[in-house]
Amino acid sequence: NAGVMQNPRHLVRRRGQEARLRCSPMKGHSHVYWYRQLPEEGLKFMVYLQKENIIDESGMPKERFSAEFPKEGPSILRIQQVVRGDSAAYFCASSPGQGVEAFFGQGTRLTVV
Amino acid sequence: EDQVTQSPEALRLQEGESSSLNCSYTVSGLRGLFWYRQDPGKGPEFLFTLYSAGEEKEKERLKATLTKKESFLHITAPKPEDSATYLCAVRRSNDYKLSFGAGTTVTVRA
Repeated sequence: NAGVMQNPRHLVRRRGQEARLRCSPMKGHSHVYWYRQLPEEGLKFMVYLQKENIIDESGMPKERFSAEFPKEGPSILRIQQVVRGDSAAYFCASSPGQGVEAFFGQGTRLTVV
Repeated sequence: EDQVTQSPEALRLQEGESSSLNCSYTVSGLRGLFWYRQDPGKGPEFLFTLYSAGEEKEKERLKATLTKKESFLHITAPKPEDSATYLCAVRRSNDYKLSFGAGTTVTVRA
């Protein structure tokens, strides 16, 4: 049973470009969470999605950031017009339901140059 | 607002030297305290969930305990492969997101 799969593992973007981060949850998991880890800081919640629905996006910046989890395919975290401050590790986690353990992927390390 | 404070920030141990990590929390209606292990460049790896004061869980050389205000992760006779950052997180009632502490980085020397 494959774990949470994230790709790409590393992504380099120039300022102003778009970044697309993908996350395939564990088999049987329909709940997806995105977290961001800035250098020297802890993991911060960004958004929680179920299939085709955004449940809570309270941790996500209101501009330039969006997330989706379509009926078919992976969850996507999209960052438009990236800036240097977006450089971080972005982690996706999945769970089979609410209130239970979430399992994390290996992350996507975004570097904005 | 939920607060999770982990101490110490860093811990250097000799192989076989047992120690404990602390996670103090302030949360309205705890609905689970979680421990994860994170290796450099990797994602957090789930270790334990604790739900109520007095609960204990063990896995190999690790043992997690929970009181009403804090949790401890005890490492017994650690080995170099136990070197990692250990993260504590809480979830409140009627919520699903985790609030993480900053972590304790453990280094075990042979």
